[in-house]
Amino acid sequence: GEDVEQSLFLSVREGDSSVINCTYTDSSSTYLYWYKQEPGAGLQLLTYIFSNMDMKQDQRLTVLLNKKDKHLSLRIADTQTGDSAIYFCAEPPMDTGRRALTFGSGTRLQVQP
Amino acid sequence: SAVISQKPSRDICQRGTSLTIQCQVDSQVTMMFWYRQQPGQSLTLIATANQGSEATYESGFVIDKFPISRPNLTFSTLTVSNMSPEDSSIYLCSAQTGGTEAFFGQGTRLTVV
Repeated sequence: GEDVEQSLFLSVREGDSSVINCTYTDSSSTYLYWYKQEPGAGLQLLTYIFSNMDMKQDQRLTVLLNKKDKHLSLRIADTQTGDSAIYFCAEPPMDTGRRALTFGSGTRLQVQP
Repeated sequence: SAVISQKPSRDICQRGTSLTIQCQVDSQVTMMFWYRQQPGQSLTLIATANQGSEATYESGFVIDKFPISRPNLTFSTLTVSNMSPEDSSIYLCSAQTGGTEAFFGQGTRLTVV
């Protein structure tokens, strides 16, 4: 079955880099996603990476994909207090009969001023 | 992209009553989903809302408890019936267009007392 795993908590100081890790199970996933959930809010799509890419950079965000190890990471450079949130990685379903994304457990990022 | 309006944003309900949550998308979407997010947890898929037919429920969720409507391609409702304190959670509506990217409403924070 599908199992997307993340570490639960990460604490960094403002200005440092944050690295949030995720392991996934479906090697045939075409896209992998990172979502951000701020307190009291829904999920916001942060970035995504296509499976034929190893890296994608978008301003302060860098996504790294290691398909061999089924490992995905999100690096946030110069982390700010506004980056404090829960970050979810997500992959499309293995079962073509089901279309909903499968989400990891979420990593709570706490940024200390 | 799609913008999703979900209401109510929060409610406090008496046990034994029912609450209907509405989800409106600003464009026609192929798929709509309902998730539950219990405190400190990841997202659990409740069901896929099918336009013009009965919703497809995930294991552990039944139509009598969570009736869903989707009368057209832009609107869906989820009812939480005969509520108990265990139903206290955040309920999230999600929509997907032609690709697998998912968009989310702001969520409904439900407290059952």
